[in-house]
Amino acid sequence: EIVLTQSPGTLSLSPGERATLFCRASQSVSSSYLAWYQQKPGQAPRLLIYGASSRATGIPDRFSGSGSGTDFTLTISRLEPEDFAVYYCQQYGSSPRYTFGQGTKLEIK
Amino acid sequence: QITLKESGPTLVKPTQTLTLTCTFSGFSFSTNEVGVGWIRQPPGKALEWLALIYWDDDKGYSPSLKYRLTITKDTSKNQVVLTMTNMDPVDTATYYCAHTPQHCSGGSCYYYFDSWGQGTLVTVSS
Repeated sequence: EIVLTQSPGTLSLSPGERATLFCRASQSVSSSYLAWYQQKPGQAPRLLIYGASSRATGIPDRFSGSGSGTDFTLTISRLEPEDFAVYYCQQYGSSPRYTFGQGTKLEIK
Repeated sequence: QITLKESGPTLVKPTQTLTLTCTFSGFSFSTNEVGVGWIRQPPGKALEWLALIYWDDDKGYSPSLKYRLTITKDTSKNQVVLTMTNMDPVDTATYYCAHTPQHCSGGSCYYYFDSWGQGTLVTVSS
């Protein structure tokens, strides 16, 4: 079973700053199997990135994803007030089919 | 526009069986190569994938829960049903259903959940 470890657990930044979130897999993951989600309090997760680097429909271009193998990154180029939330990475595999990371909380400094 | 909505009991007793229904619109198992998955989230904790069913009746379960889970679909009603047996207080969580498309292009296939229901909080307590 592939385990996804996200870091940092909490990231404190100010609006306008750049945010870099990490997702490390315990084994190599196909880039096409890696996705990122944003979740705000009381809401369902929202798909941001699929295929490690493709933005989902309607996602602003300040969100970008990169990486390959075991190391993946979500970058938010300039933080807007609405970007402060919890972010999860997700991978697809054989068993289990889907795995989520433990999340990174992006909070206002 | 794809929408999904979870329904079921908000409170179950320990050892009881939980039955949750996901009713969706905007796609159909009979005309689209899609899947519907269930994901849960205990209060203040991370997302946990539970089960998935595809248009062709292919199914997948979380290895740690597979002996307690059953997922089925009713194509005519646009519904997916998840049952979880022997409920325990640790199963208290918000349960989400979500749509996953069959997305393959350029020789690669992509796997993700692009539309989610609002979630339903299930509390397990006597």
